[in-house]
Amino acid sequence: EVQLVESGGGLVQPGGSLRLSCAASGLDFSTAWMHWVRQPPGKGLVWLSRINPDGTVSSYADSVKGRFTISRDNAKNTFNLQMNGLRGDDTAFYYCAGGSFDPDYWGQGTLVTVSS
Amino acid sequence: DIQMTQSPSSMSASVGDSVTITCRASQTVNHFVNWYHHKPGKAPKLLIFSTSNLQSGVPSRFSGSGSGTDFTLTISGLQPADFATYYCQQSYSVPLTFGGGTKLELK
Repeated sequence: EVQLVESGGGLVQPGGSLRLSCAASGLDFSTAWMHWVRQPPGKGLVWLSRINPDGTVSSYADSVKGRFTISRDNAKNTFNLQMNGLRGDDTAFYYCAGGSFDPDYWGQGTLVTVSS
Repeated sequence: DIQMTQSPSSMSASVGDSVTITCRASQTVNHFVNWYHHKPGKAPKLLIFSTSNLQSGVPSRFSGSGSGTDFTLTISGLQPADFATYYCQQSYSVPLTFGGGTKLELK
């Protein structure tokens, strides 16, 4: 069974930083494309970023480009989202997801709240 | 960016009914459309990939069709577990984009 478990969410002040992590099991992590997706309160799903299997190619939504950085550690079956310059509109549930290319499997999410 | 316009945004139905949700892309996405099921507090679940392929373990009452810019998800014989929010998503080009969601409620 594939399991993805996010950690690192919490309350942070505007302008602050947070690092989300996702631990993966039950899939061939070294060949999986991994994604981050968020859901603001009361709204729909928004794709943020993805990284290729060997970690050499990453893509970002315009809303987070230059502020967020995705990375992975294939030796530990984990990948991360470093979030800097956080703003109020970054408040959301953040989901990690992964699969052969698309977000096939998802975690249950971690809540990030940006507020003073 | 490719916009995915999903309709309806909400609907109500009864157990045993059949329902159809549609998704229109702002430009061609070939067959690269996925459908997800999401309940609050739970992990979203992939139902259909590449327009019409049923993800492993997903009941056959779910089906998808379409091509180019117009896509549909059909659920035949609704079960209690099916009442949730459904999202389409294109993976033709980055940024990946989702439809706004269809909330399916019990009548």
